[in-house]
Amino acid sequence: NAGVTQTPKFRVLKTGQSMTLLCAQDMNHEYMYWYRQDPGMGLRLIHYSVGEGTTAKGEVPDGYNVSRLKKQNFLLGLESAAPSQTSVYFCASSYSVSNPQSNFGPGTRLTVL
Amino acid sequence: DAKTTQPNSMESNEEEPVHLPCNHSTISGTDYIHWYRQLPSQGPEYVIHGLTSNVNNRMASLAIAEDRKSSTLILHRATLRDAAVYYCIRGGYGGSQGNLIFGKGTKLSVKP
Repeated sequence: NAGVTQTPKFRVLKTGQSMTLLCAQDMNHEYMYWYRQDPGMGLRLIHYSVGEGTTAKGEVPDGYNVSRLKKQNFLLGLESAAPSQTSVYFCASSYSVSNPQSNFGPGTRLTVL
Repeated sequence: DAKTTQPNSMESNEEEPVHLPCNHSTISGTDYIHWYRQLPSQGPEYVIHGLTSNVNNRMASLAIAEDRKSSTLILHRATLRDAAVYYCIRGGYGGSQGNLIFGKGTKLSVKP
């Protein structure tokens, strides 16, 4: 099992550009999450999904959109990147509410100039 | 709002036990207590979780106070590989769909 994988690992964008971050999991998990981590800070939840076709806002959703068309994939989109979105982005998945252990991906380091 | 309080940093010597404290005085009856750790340049890694009883696994032990307002993560013999930021998290299940609210955590340093 690959666990949780994220694509790409690194990316540099110019202000106003758009991009999509891909998260994939092969554990048949129902729940998937996108977090961002700024230097010296803990992780903050951007959006999450409790199943295929469903998404919900987390703590810091502004400027991001997500989609969960397939159970194994969770996409995070930035329509018009801003320097404030420079961060490390982590995807995570978990099996269910009753099985709370989350598996995290290795992260995507995004810089917006 | 992380809703947990942890010391910013702690130090330990290699091969000695480490007790990492966490206060969660406003915890509800259905909230689990989770611990994750994050090694440098990596994603968080699950360590342990519990609800009311003390828990043990191959990585650590979790001691939960009887009133559930605090807990302690116990690493029985610290190794250099245990140097990481440790996050104590209150997980609200049911209503909050299982998402985790991270605070700043405790940075654990392990000295040889």
